[in-house]
Amino acid sequence: TQLLEQSPQFLSIQEGENLTVYCNSSSVFSSLQWYRQEPGEGPVLLVTVVTGGEVKKLKRLTFQFGDARKDSSLHITAAQPGDTGLYLCAGVTIQGAQKLVFGQGTRLTINP
Amino acid sequence: EPEVTQTPSHQVTQMGQEVILRCVPISNHLYFYWYRQILGQKVEFLVSFYNNEISEKSEIFDDQFSVERPDGSNFTLKIRSTKLEDSAMYFCASSATSGGFYYNEQFFGPGTRLTVL
Repeated sequence: TQLLEQSPQFLSIQEGENLTVYCNSSSVFSSLQWYRQEPGEGPVLLVTVVTGGEVKKLKRLTFQFGDARKDSSLHITAAQPGDTGLYLCAGVTIQGAQKLVFGQGTRLTINP
Repeated sequence: EPEVTQTPSHQVTQMGQEVILRCVPISNHLYFYWYRQILGQKVEFLVSFYNNEISEKSEIFDDQFSVERPDGSNFTLKIRSTKLEDSAMYFCASSATSGGFYYNEQFFGPGTRLTVL
């Protein structure tokens, strides 16, 4: 069974601070996706990383895929209250129907 | 912008009753999925569907569950005899491609909250 461990599960920081969320696995994934989920809504895709070592930037968010395609990180620079939410990483399995394996999520709170 | 839609947004049912959750995937997508999320837990894969047949299913997807694409637009999840532990958010997702050497970007609907009493 492939598992994705996401850490931390909860993070509360002040506006303007930087933070990093980690997503780790012992399994290799063909790609890894980061989602943001608001209460009562479905996950919304933020980014997909495909190549080992790949780095993608989305404004103040930087996503990195590990060289071995087993782990990923999300770094937010100068966090804003609008960044508050649940962030999910999800790995795409290599074999089978390429289902998503989700981490348990990081609930991020940015305090003004 | 194209999006996945789901109906109903909330379904309340009695234990033992049948429910059908409906999804309209993005129109040019070929791969369809159902996931569920029990309150406070991680999103879990249930089933994937391609070319009018199930590609893969999880251990959760037992004989009580079935999926169907009755026409060119709808994708349904049926639970034949609901149990209390079926209470969860059910998300439909669709993607244009599958994985392998191509990344598989799945787009999710807003979910149906199923409450079994």
